[in-house]
Amino acid sequence: AQSVTQLDSQVPVFEEAPVELRCNYSSSVSVYLFWYVQYPNQGLQLLLKYLSGSTLVKGINGFEAEFNKSQTSFHLRKPSVHISDTAEYFCAVGGTASKLTFGTGTRLQVTL
Amino acid sequence: NAGVTQTPKFRVLKTGQSMTLLCAQDMNHEYMYWYRQDPGMGLRLIHYSVGEGTTAKGEVPDGYNVSRLKKQNFLLGLESAAPSQTSVYFCASSYQNPEDTQYFGPGTRLTVL
Repeated sequence: AQSVTQLDSQVPVFEEAPVELRCNYSSSVSVYLFWYVQYPNQGLQLLLKYLSGSTLVKGINGFEAEFNKSQTSFHLRKPSVHISDTAEYFCAVGGTASKLTFGTGTRLQVTL
Repeated sequence: NAGVTQTPKFRVLKTGQSMTLLCAQDMNHEYMYWYRQDPGMGLRLIHYSVGEGTTAKGEVPDGYNVSRLKKQNFLLGLESAAPSQTSVYFCASSYQNPEDTQYFGPGTRLTVL
């Protein structure tokens, strides 16, 4: 069985400040991890994914995530956020038949 | 290249009515998925398909049926809508490997009164 925990439902942050969105996972199969972003009234789009190899993964819009096997975590970070980063962020773990198990999401609210 | 499209974008139903949501993809993807998104619950898989003519149940399949008669289309049906099915429905598609990205449609907002 697989599960994803996103402990923070909302993260408020000022523009140009750094941000970390936390994700912990549980999986009994090979670990493929994803971060998706959902802008208001839109579908989800891929930010980045971890398949294997380097534990630091870089994605679009300046985001990066670090895979930590011992802590079963895949936290998302950005050193300096912009107003346009305001969105909901979902962590997901891949499984059989390429199915994704999603976390409950973290709403990032960037203000001036 | 339109990607994944969903029809309709919005719909209001009365309890007991039926409807079909259409998902279409032009990327020649083998796998397709239907999710529902509810506040505070993330996305939950309703049904999925690993190829034309095949369907399988996901995490929350009750009250829904699906069909994949053509590779590019995946239909989600509600035979007798209930208020608990008020949600935003997303379709997604991908190639057949676990590491492949799922591409999402823009969603359908359904309200059941």
